[in-house]
Amino acid sequence: AQKITQTQPGMFVQEKEAVTLDCTYDTSDPSYGLFWYKQPSSGEMIFLIYQGSYDQQNATEGRYSLNFQKARKSANLVISASQLGDSAMYFCAMRERQGYSTLTFGKGTMLLVSP
Amino acid sequence: DTGVSQDPRHKITKRGQNVTFRCDPISEHNRLYWYRQTLGQGPEFLTYFQNEAQLEKSRLLSDRFSAERPKGSFSTLEIQRTEQGDSAMYLCASSPDASLADYNEQFFGPGTRLTVL
Repeated sequence: AQKITQTQPGMFVQEKEAVTLDCTYDTSDPSYGLFWYKQPSSGEMIFLIYQGSYDQQNATEGRYSLNFQKARKSANLVISASQLGDSAMYFCAMRERQGYSTLTFGKGTMLLVSP
Repeated sequence: DTGVSQDPRHKITKRGQNVTFRCDPISEHNRLYWYRQTLGQGPEFLTYFQNEAQLEKSRLLSDRFSAERPKGSFSTLEIQRTEQGDSAMYLCASSPDASLADYNEQFFGPGTRLTVL
């Protein structure tokens, strides 16, 4: 079974609108961390936001927020007020306590922001 | 620039040749990771170093692959007898020792894109 599932291969949004990128995960580890990375066409992975499994509040970083629903095992990324520069691949990733050193990534969602 | 650097950025080679990639992590980071990313996929973990010790290896890392981090600073990833299936982006990341066990952000380099003809 896949540990990280991103069901949206591509998403389109107009500039200044909000968009939600879906991510569900599978783990039996009670302690884990969830990450979102952005990968523009240049290839570099850019860290966006982190949510720990024991965090009581949803993480926020500027225009990025994470809608963390632990019971549903989902960690959706919300981007508010989309900008043209947000066009990129977005990856959800998980680090489990058992395999504490490594990240397991989903297949990604391509986001295209139009003017 | 004090980010993670990788060299070369692009490598084209013929099947059967050996290739070596280099990664220079952020200087104060003692954890270093290698990932492979094929087209349309997310990065897949290959191996992990804590200082000079290689602590984890994925089953993706066949015996044609070897990684070193001899002095706990830069790392090299060598692929022997390359195959067309080795064509991918090879990403290096580094992170500091985590004081908070769960939050250990990995900083990625720009990657080395390998094409095996």
